Amino acid sequence: GIQVEQSPPDLILQEGANSTLRCNFSDSVNNLQWFHQNPWGQLINLFYIPSGTKQNGRLSATTVATERYSLLYISSSQTTDSGVYFCAVESRYGQNFVFGPGTRLSVLP
Amino acid sequence: EAGVVQSPRYKIIEKKQPVAFWCNPISGHNTLYWYLQNLGQGPELLIRYENEEAVDDSQLPKDRFSAERLKGVDSTLKIQPAELGDSAVYLCASSARGFNEQYFGPGTRLTVT
Repeated sequence: GIQVEQSPPDLILQEGANSTLRCNFSDSVNNLQWFHQNPWGQLINLFYIPSGTKQNGRLSATTVATERYSLLYISSSQTTDSGVYFCAVESRYGQNFVFGPGTRLSVLP
Repeated sequence: EAGVVQSPRYKIIEKKQPVAFWCNPISGHNTLYWYLQNLGQGPELLIRYENEEAVDDSQLPKDRFSAERLKGVDSTLKIQPAELGDSAVYLCASSARGFNEQYFGPGTRLTVT
């Protein structure tokens, strides 16, 4: 099945700093989504982005499907951005939806 | 608009006991998913429903796990009998259709002792 890798596994930032999270996947995809899981466990959908670029406030994401990677940008980070960021993909050749291992972000005041 | 509702939020049972989780998706969402999340890992898909039909249950351990979605709205996931290794968070999600933008419920944290 499709493999999903995320980097870095852990990231510690000072409030106000910018960051880039990366997601690599091993096969062509129909669907790619970024999620944020807050410290209380709630998963929030950030972007549905199988290709191209999207922006939502301080967050933006870019997926280069031909090169099998996606990037999530967080600008001017805030303490409320802390949590785990997951990339999840649906392979073009399968019906499963696979999550990566996540990037744990800690934003310090 | 109400989000995905799950109950109970927490459940503690002894091994070999049965347990059931309930999920009510966002109104109008045809697709419903059950995921399992172990500590420190990403969610793993157990089963996906399109309306009342289970279109992908390849990851569901069918010897002890079962699920149903009668009338294509709310759904129940059951484990019988529970094992120690089943301790995890069970997440329900829904989307308008297919694997499009998914919205997750708060999850049920199961502890098997």
